[in-house]
Amino acid sequence: DIQMTQSPSSLAASVGDRVTITCRASESIGNHLNWYQQKLGRAPRLLIYVVSSLQSGVPSRFSGNGSGTDFTLTISSLQPDDFATYYCQESHTTPFAFGGGTRVEIK
Amino acid sequence: QVQLVQSGAEAKKPGASMKVSCKTSGYIFTGYSLQWVRQAPGQGLEWMGRINPDSGATTYAQKFQGRVTMTGDSSMNTAYMELDRLTFDDTAVYFCARETEAWGCIGGPCLNWLDFWGQGTLVTVSS
Repeated sequence: DIQMTQSPSSLAASVGDRVTITCRASESIGNHLNWYQQKLGRAPRLLIYVVSSLQSGVPSRFSGNGSGTDFTLTISSLQPDDFATYYCQESHTTPFAFGGGTRVEIK
Repeated sequence: QVQLVQSGAEAKKPGASMKVSCKTSGYIFTGYSLQWVRQAPGQGLEWMGRINPDSGATTYAQKFQGRVTMTGDSSMNTAYMELDRLTFDDTAVYFCARETEAWGCIGGPCLNWLDFWGQGTLVTVSS
């Protein structure tokens, strides 16, 4: 099975900061990589699909990059609504593994 | 608009079975696969499996093979996920999510993503 490793597992940042989260696959997954945001007690929400395509309604401060095994999610200017946990998921080979999550907290 | 509405919270005893429903609306039920994902308290997301409601074909994570059954009822636009022989470790919130696939997938793994999610169903296993 493919393993997805996210880093860091948590980070503290201030409003306006640029934040980057990394996701690494244990083998190449091409561009089969999606990002989700989850707030406490809520279902995950799709942010970015196929590495860099922004889901409808998602602010443009979110962006994704990468290919093969290494991927990033960047928030260009952190907003109060962005404090949440972020997960990557590979959609290349079942089981479609999720990363362990990155919790973004207020500094 | 697309909606996935799941059944309510359940309390189960070890060894029992659970069955969560996921009622869909706002799109053609048989046109999209559904994935099931769970989240134990304070933990991350865990992929359980997927079902193609059109063909009925299923793919389960090895961890749940033999214990999970995913089905779909196109007359009700509803998917179901049943998990047998529950243990304390099965205490979690269970989510269904619609899988959208990229156009023009021919051979090889198809690009897909989970664009709509149910609200989640908390299943608590305790004695």
